[in-house]
Amino acid sequence: DGGITQSPKYLFRKEGQNVTLSCEQNLNHDAMYWYRQDPGQGLRLIYYSQIVNDFQKGDIAEGYSVSREKKESFPLTVTSAQKNPTAFYLCASRSLAGPSTDTQYFGPGTRLTVL
Amino acid sequence: AQSVAQPEDQVNVAEGNPLTVKCTYSVSGNPYLFWYVQYPNRGLQFLLKYITGDNLVKGSYGFEAEFNKSQTSFHLKKPSALVSDSALYFCAVRDIGRGSTLGRLYFGRGTQLTVWP
Repeated sequence: DGGITQSPKYLFRKEGQNVTLSCEQNLNHDAMYWYRQDPGQGLRLIYYSQIVNDFQKGDIAEGYSVSREKKESFPLTVTSAQKNPTAFYLCASRSLAGPSTDTQYFGPGTRLTVL
Repeated sequence: AQSVAQPEDQVNVAEGNPLTVKCTYSVSGNPYLFWYVQYPNRGLQFLLKYITGDNLVKGSYGFEAEFNKSQTSFHLKKPSALVSDSALYFCAVRDIGRGSTLGRLYFGRGTQLTVWP
């Protein structure tokens, strides 16, 4: 899991609440990504960012929001508009220069459960 | 559009036997292909990648993968399986298009590998 940290590891939310998942990296990577993982569905891209103060929607952005105020941080907010938020959330980052520019590296994940 | 298929949800193999986890892909240009492994309640760990060059790519933990352009496949292999290899394996292809989508990965649904003693 390298230099990418995600917190908390487990998160419980009541319906109607917004929650924010933290993702921090000390790898000096420019690009960061958020994925959602559900059993049997692989990973689906929520949002990604290649530079500070800029980000793009992925395939399932509805009900989620992000910010990229610092290079090392890419928090994900799961809003009350997300109809089925219970899932495992994974953050990843990638360097845009150097020999490993093609490879995304992943954090340990946050498991969100809606009660 | 890029896509990846992992045709087997589960693969079971005896310890010491060779293992293969299958992956096929669809891309509009030259593919960048990846294999990741996931242990329960953990993030994905990078195993290996194919960008260009030799069709046989060697990676971590004794794994290797063979790129076959004519069959659009990138199967993961290991000559002798270990019980500790039991995990969820994901194949992914990279979007090499221009602009803001550069670098995103498209993942298969994953294959659960079980190695029994």
